[in-house]
Amino acid sequence: KAGVTQTPRYLIKTRGQQVTLSCSPISGHRSVSWYQQTPGQGLQFLFEYFSETQRNKGNFPGRFSGRQFSNSRSEMNVSTLELGDSALYLCASSRGTSGSSDTQYFGPGTRLTVL
Amino acid sequence: AQSVAQPEDQVNVAEGNPLTVKCTYSVSGNPYLFWYVQYPNRGLQFLLKYITGDNLVKGSYGFEAEFNKSQTSFHLKKPSALVSDSALYFCAVSALSGGYNKLIFGAGTRLAVHP
Repeated sequence: KAGVTQTPRYLIKTRGQQVTLSCSPISGHRSVSWYQQTPGQGLQFLFEYFSETQRNKGNFPGRFSGRQFSNSRSEMNVSTLELGDSALYLCASSRGTSGSSDTQYFGPGTRLTVL
Repeated sequence: AQSVAQPEDQVNVAEGNPLTVKCTYSVSGNPYLFWYVQYPNRGLQFLLKYITGDNLVKGSYGFEAEFNKSQTSFHLKKPSALVSDSALYFCAVSALSGGYNKLIFGAGTRLAVHP
């Protein structure tokens, strides 16, 4: 069974630009969550989608947005990039039907560098 | 508010010796607890989780974790460490309020296993 895939693996952008990251969940999984990982703040939850609906959201500014498609694939978008947005962005998928006890399986991440 | 603490930034252990990576949590109600491991330039790999039942949870790669409700701890253990176990380990709690599939992570503990 294929794991969670994320594209691209690496991105370099400049301040003010916008970026779109993509995530394909494990087959059969309907929930996709996004996390930001930085050396200073650690792993922080961005948002979670289930059946094309955002079910949960972390404490990030509105520049961070996401969506989910009918095939459960998800994208996240960051507009007006700032230097502080440089991070590893991780996507995780789960069945989404067991509430808080669901196991999330992570992709390899997209390394975003903002210059 | 739920939180997770990993009191050690780094744990050093000799190959063949037992290892323990500590985790304490603060949640209201019954916790769902997880351990993940991250290798360089990789995403997080699921090791094990505690939902309910037996306090000793067995996971992947010979790891196990002991849930202790009175001490609010969920320490990760392995009887005999391997050099290949060297990685970054994260403890996480699944949020019981605010929706599904939101993991709150500890800061991580770097495990170094020396030959």
